[in-house]
Amino acid sequence: QSFLTQPPSVSAAPGQKVTISCSGSSSNIGSSYVSWYQHLPGTAPRLLIYVNDKRPSGISDRFSGSKSGTSATLAITGLQTEDEADYYCGTWDVSLTAGLFGGGTKLTVL
Amino acid sequence: QVQLQQWGAGLLKPSETLSLTCAVYGESFSGYYWNWIRQAPGKGLEWIGEINHSGSTNYNPSLKSRVSTSVDTSKNQFSLRLSSVTAADTAVYYCARAIQDYDNSGYYYYYYMDVWGEGTTVTVSS
Repeated sequence: QSFLTQPPSVSAAPGQKVTISCSGSSSNIGSSYVSWYQHLPGTAPRLLIYVNDKRPSGISDRFSGSKSGTSATLAITGLQTEDEADYYCGTWDVSLTAGLFGGGTKLTVL
Repeated sequence: QVQLQQWGAGLLKPSETLSLTCAVYGESFSGYYWNWIRQAPGKGLEWIGEINHSGSTNYNPSLKSRVSTSVDTSKNQFSLRLSSVTAADTAVYYCARAIQDYDNSGYYYYYYMDVWGEGTTVTVSS
């Protein structure tokens, strides 16, 4: 089991909005910023969001992140078929002094 | 533009030691932590550990007894060793650059991996 809990799967139609949640605890999300990664099969994961809500250069503004307390959320608007991928939240656990990933959420664009 | 190129043995027998190396091109080696992450078949991403340019390390508690990392600053390379491998260590292994520190408040820690290697498939089989 993971210290960070994500739903195993989410789905929505093209053009719609989807949100993916990531729930942790006071020693990880409660004490650290959250990042989000997109992972397509056979490729390296790609950083989508860092420090809760910042987008790296080149990442579409259809992707946004937020954090409240010990939970974080990734939102994807205007869904496109190429958004189908696995999405992972990540953070640092200050008690474990270790990096953490959520279990991953598979996004299906219907 | 920073690039990470990784390599290592792709097929191991149980009880052997996994050894992977990642080279950093196009950026200073110092000022960052250099991470290893893996994904077993059908599973999610698992953080293995990290090292910085001065050799300071952090490891996944569940793997700590078998993991070691090292750094060669003269070559801008860092390496992973995982001992006593079993079939459960079969995975795609990634190296990645992490940016991490406490923020200006001194309370919240930021940590994210912005550059990744292409991945190396490691299979453990007798």
